Amino acid sequence: DAKTTQPPSMDCAEGRAANLPCNHSTISGNEYVYWYRQIHSQGPQYIIHGLKNNETNEMASLIITEDRKSSTLILPHATLRDTAVYYCIVSKTGANNLFFGTGTRLTVIP
Amino acid sequence: DAGVTQSPTHLIKTRGQHVTLRCSPISGHKSVSWYQQVLGQGPQFIFQYYEKEERGRGNFPDRFSARQFPNYSSELNVNALLLGDSALYLCASSLGPDSTDTQYFGPGTRLTVL
Repeated sequence: DAKTTQPPSMDCAEGRAANLPCNHSTISGNEYVYWYRQIHSQGPQYIIHGLKNNETNEMASLIITEDRKSSTLILPHATLRDTAVYYCIVSKTGANNLFFGTGTRLTVIP
Repeated sequence: DAGVTQSPTHLIKTRGQHVTLRCSPISGHKSVSWYQQVLGQGPQFIFQYYEKEERGRGNFPDRFSARQFPNYSSELNVNALLLGDSALYLCASSLGPDSTDTQYFGPGTRLTVL
């Protein structure tokens, strides 16, 4: 599975949009982009995933570039409860072993 | 619906002992995976089981073993514990191993080896 590169940390003001970038320049055609987050000492929580098209659900939006070499997770209105480590993962299947990397620590500031 | 459950929540062992961690998947999920998360790092894949068969193994020594039962619950066993085995052990379940469906994680078992 392709590896990803994420900034180690980001801050976001409460109520503003949080935009978390991820580079995955070696992604192959049949690999999906998955996003998980992990709030302190809890199990990772699935957020969203996509292949080519932009995706949106009740938690977030996922924007994937046309060449699929990078993506951005958008939390439209960040709250303090969104403070967590966010992991971008590229995988052929979300149900198999996932390589988490070190993620981006997002801190939402009041 | 109940999510993935794990037991115990916390465990303290000494070097050389063995430990058994347990996981119950979401109802209807037949695949269970185990991950180890050392402090400050992301989770690292240990095993995946599907229909009681091992489907994948990460880069862990033979001291680590697992099994899956007919009801799809799973156990992770670690023998001859080392200090470096101290970690959060996470269990995740999914419908099947080849699905684009996601994995759903339990709260984890915090293992401390003294």
